[in-house]
Amino acid sequence: KAGVTQTPRYLIKTRGQQVTLSCSPISGHRSVSWYQQTPGQGLQFLFEYFSETQRNKGNFPGRFSGRQFSNSRSEMNVSTLELGDSALYLCASSHPREGSGYTFGSGTRLTVV
Amino acid sequence: AQTVTQSQPEMSVQEAETVTLSCTYDTSESDYYLFWYKQPPSRQMILVIRQEAYKQQNATENRFSVNFQKAAKSFSLKISDSQLGDAAMYFCAYRIRKAGNNRKLIWGLGTSLAVNP
Repeated sequence: KAGVTQTPRYLIKTRGQQVTLSCSPISGHRSVSWYQQTPGQGLQFLFEYFSETQRNKGNFPGRFSGRQFSNSRSEMNVSTLELGDSALYLCASSHPREGSGYTFGSGTRLTVV
Repeated sequence: AQTVTQSQPEMSVQEAETVTLSCTYDTSESDYYLFWYKQPPSRQMILVIRQEAYKQQNATENRFSVNFQKAAKSFSLKISDSQLGDAAMYFCAYRIRKAGNNRKLIWGLGTSLAVNP
């Protein structure tokens, strides 16, 4: 059974550019969540999608957006990149059974220069 | 607001010994989940163990067990017979159970565990 797949693994972008990250959840998982991990702030929730609808959103500026497709794959987009956006972005999918826990991908390491 | 605190930034243990990682949390909710995740250098966050707050019995997964003290809002992880492969960052996380805008994982800052041969 394939795990959660995140692409790309590494990304280097220039300040002001935009970036799109992709996440393919485990087959059968309809919920996809995104987290930002930095050494200073730790892990912070970005947003959660379920059946193509954003169900929850964290406290990030509007430059951070996402979407989910009918096959449950999700993308997140960051526009007008800032140096502070450099982070590991983790995607997690969860089974419809309540409380089953989250399965994470290996993340995308974004570096903004 | 819910918070999760891991008071031990770093810990070390000898191979085959037992180590306990601490986690406390703050919430006004009564129904929630607690998790321990492990993040090795490969970066993938791996679920170690989870606990449902309404269950009084402490969760156990092979060499990993928790001491869940709901009144004290404490959720410690015990690793028995430590192995070199246990070396990683360990994160404690909380999630409310009911549906709504707060259905997200809230994380501690992690404990870096070293296992000495």
